[in-house]
Parts: sequence; C-alpha cells; structure tokens
Amino acid sequence: DTEVTQTPKHLVMGMTNKKSLKCEQHMGHRAMYWYKQKAKKPPELMFVYSYEKLSINESVPSRFSPECPNSSLLNLHLHALQPEDSALYLCASSLHPGGGYGELFFGEGSRLTVL
Amino acid sequence: DQQVKQNSPSLSVQEGRISILNCDYTNSMFDYFLWYKKYPAEGPTFLISISSIKDKNEDGRFTVFLNKSAKHLSLHIVPSQPGDSAVYFCAAIPLSGSARQLTFGSGTQLTVLP
Repeated sequence: DTEVTQTPKHLVMGMTNKKSLKCEQHMGHRAMYWYKQKAKKPPELMFVYSYEKLSINESVPSRFSPECPNSSLLNLHLHALQPEDSALYLCASSLHPGGGYGELFFGEGSRLTVL
Repeated sequence: DQQVKQNSPSLSVQEGRISILNCDYTNSMFDYFLWYKKYPAEGPTFLISISSIKDKNEDGRFTVFLNKSAKHLSLHIVPSQPGDSAVYFCAAIPLSGSARQLTFGSGTQLTVLP
C-alpha cells in the first residue's frame, strides 16, 4: 500500500462551522505533513508531525488545529475559517522525519471552500 | 524571495517530441533536488530526484540534469505523451536537510498536444 488517503475530497463550509479533514497512510511512515496549496502556487507547509508529535508549526493561525491520534492518522480541525482559507489541503508522509531525502508521498488533497 | 524558480509558467509540446522543463535556484546550500508531477484535483506525485554529487539521473523517459555552477536543473521527457500533461514542480532540500525543508518552485504547466 503506497497511498496517502485523504477525506473528504471536497468540503464546503461556512465561517461559523467546525469541520475536520482526515488523512491516513499505512506505509509505516513516521512523519506526516499538512500543506496548503492555492491555485497556480506551490504547496506551502503548515504542520509537521514526527513520531506523532507536532514538530513544526509554520505560524499557522489557531483556527487550524492539527491532531495525530496515531502513526497512521493525521487530522486537521477547522473552526471559524475565512474565505481566504479556501484552498487545496494536502496531506503528505515520509519515511523519516529528519535526515531523509524529501520523497514525500502526497494524498489527493481536500478541496476546501469557505463561504 | 523565491529560492527555487520556474520561470516558465507553461509549456506546450507536440506528442513524441522532447519536453524540457527548467528550474533555477539561488541557495547554494541546496544539495538534493526533486521533481513532482501534479494532475488537477490530485496531490503531487514524486517523479525523479538528483543528488548534487551527480549531474544526471535517468528513469525511463525522464532525465534530470543538474548544473551546479549555474544553479540550474532541467527535466527532460522523451518522448512526450499526452498523459504527461500536468503541472511539474521542482523542489530542493539543503545539505543535511529533512523533508520538512523542501522548497518548491511555482510550477510549470506542461501540455502535450496529440
């Protein structure tokens, strides 16, 4: 199994809603990532989990709250988002959190629209 | 300041011909480079990589060339196929870096015309 699975594929939410994005991998990877990608822009790193612990938070607003329940799962909890948060949210994983060579495996992404 | 630059936002090539995608970088600490391919509504897929100790790496129809003195790398696709139409991102990692430090370029949309 060489897949990173993300659900839902599409999500539309209002600014007062609470929703979650989910990510799952069964490759035994010990690092998992959340990226945000706007149209025609490169992916921007949001969070990194290493061995289920949050190791990097790239100054992301608190309306985004990551959670790593176990080594295979990564969630992104969303609350009180703004329309400008509309984007493709990509989950990725890599075998090693550090010292690796960057072969990230990406999921298909969750397309988020905030109304 | 963009440390990894893909100056051509788009490229069109006839099927069967060569596609050449270019990438320039400014950070001399980068020593590992990757290309990712992205179809619409999908996440990026790792394509091919090259370490700074090499100047060429080949995998089937895909070859990446690295010119360290010019801080330039290129991806060659030969022969190009319509299924290669996608956005291609160049990415770089510094010496002793981790996947966290992956820096992406802005991408080039490749269209292969049948």
